[in-house]
Amino acid sequence: RKEVEQDPGPFNVPEGATVAFNCTYSNSASQSFFWYRQDCRKEPKLLMSVYSSGNEDGRFTAQLNRASQYISLLIRDSKLSDSATYLCVVNPYGQNFVFGPGTRLSVLP
Amino acid sequence: GAVVSQHPSWVICKSGTSVKIECRSLDFQATTMFWYRQFPKQSLMLMATSNEGSKATYEQGVEKDKFLINHASLTLSTLTVTSAHPEDSSFYICSAEGQLVVAYGYTFGSGTRLTVV
Repeated sequence: RKEVEQDPGPFNVPEGATVAFNCTYSNSASQSFFWYRQDCRKEPKLLMSVYSSGNEDGRFTAQLNRASQYISLLIRDSKLSDSATYLCVVNPYGQNFVFGPGTRLSVLP
Repeated sequence: GAVVSQHPSWVICKSGTSVKIECRSLDFQATTMFWYRQFPKQSLMLMATSNEGSKATYEQGVEKDKFLINHASLTLSTLTVTSAHPEDSSFYICSAEGQLVVAYGYTFGSGTRLTVV
């Protein structure tokens, strides 16, 4: 089993749609969790950290379920500019960050 | 916020030559920097972990004699691709670990697109 797995994608959704990404991780000792966004031919950029209590930033909501070792990202009212690859990133205690394979999102007009 | 500068952004070189890529943390000290490689439509793959003042730690399958890493100061790490071949053409990205990494994750450089002809 891979350390971090994500929905295979791609997701093609119309503008204004709500889309959810799922991520699971295998190392129960993981302590930090993040969602990154990567545009084509660009470096990944931090979208948001994921906290145990869940957190929201505008149209983006992240949830963490430690018992199920599951992380989610919800995007509401999607915009064309949300088109990108979304990377789930997990930081096992004492180890380097582990990146998921990413899920590509295309928001269509 | 933390800024990582990577240079050059893109480079085209002839097969057999060497290419050096620089990664600098501009406003923080980074004891640890990471080098990744990303092929088209694939995920980031960690190549090596660069520790200031000591030898880099390479991931399995990465040739340390081909990908030379030097982390001579707390703000600079370099990756040299020696005797480059067309199969080394890829997107190379560095990232740096600052003090607030647990809360804010890694900061990435803008990447270097290497094309070997």
